[in-house]
Amino acid sequence: NAGVTQTPKFQVLKTGQSMTLQCAQDMNHNSMYWYRQDPGMGLRLIYYSASEGTTDKGEVPNGYNVSRLNKREFSLRLESAAPSQTSVYFCASSEFRSVMNSPLHFGNGTRLTVT
Amino acid sequence: GDSVTQMEGPVTLSEEAFLTINCTYTATGYPSLFWYVQYPGEGLQLLLKATKADDKGSNKGFEATYRKETTSFHLEKGSVQVSDSAVYFCALSDRESGYSTLTFGKGTMLLVSP
Repeated sequence: NAGVTQTPKFQVLKTGQSMTLQCAQDMNHNSMYWYRQDPGMGLRLIYYSASEGTTDKGEVPNGYNVSRLNKREFSLRLESAAPSQTSVYFCASSEFRSVMNSPLHFGNGTRLTVT
Repeated sequence: GDSVTQMEGPVTLSEEAFLTINCTYTATGYPSLFWYVQYPGEGLQLLLKATKADDKGSNKGFEATYRKETTSFHLEKGSVQVSDSAVYFCALSDRESGYSTLTFGKGTMLLVSP
């Protein structure tokens, strides 16, 4: 039972390069999320998808785009990477839209460095 | 907007010591409150939750009580183990987001020595 799988685990980009972070879950969950984790800042929500076919902005969406490819997969794209996007990125999923009744399950993260 | 404030870390304790990690929140309405834990090299996982005032969440010897009057949700454990070393995040969800997202605190690192 893999849970939430993120690829790649590590990535180094130069300023201006683009890349897509991949996330897939095998728990048949409806909702998926992208967070970034920075020292002293905790986790901040970038985008989320409450259900297949919908996406919404979170607290820090600028510089990112997302695609809910199907129920299993939710990708995060950086079109033109900036040093301020150096961070650890976490994908998460939950069975239902309401986090009160269904906990978030997190992947192990992608550590991204932009030089 | 919503916010969660946690005590600064790291918190360093000896095995079997008593643990308290403070968490206070600001939110509209009546949020649900959560503690998530992140072990080294892993993603976060839910530790416990409370959905209304005076509820006590508990799991793995950890407890937290939802105190509406002090807007707090402090995490406690009577006797910590080395395996409890991790980063602990307090979080909330409320009606403003349709209870569909979590707002996290900055996290508190706990280091337990033998």
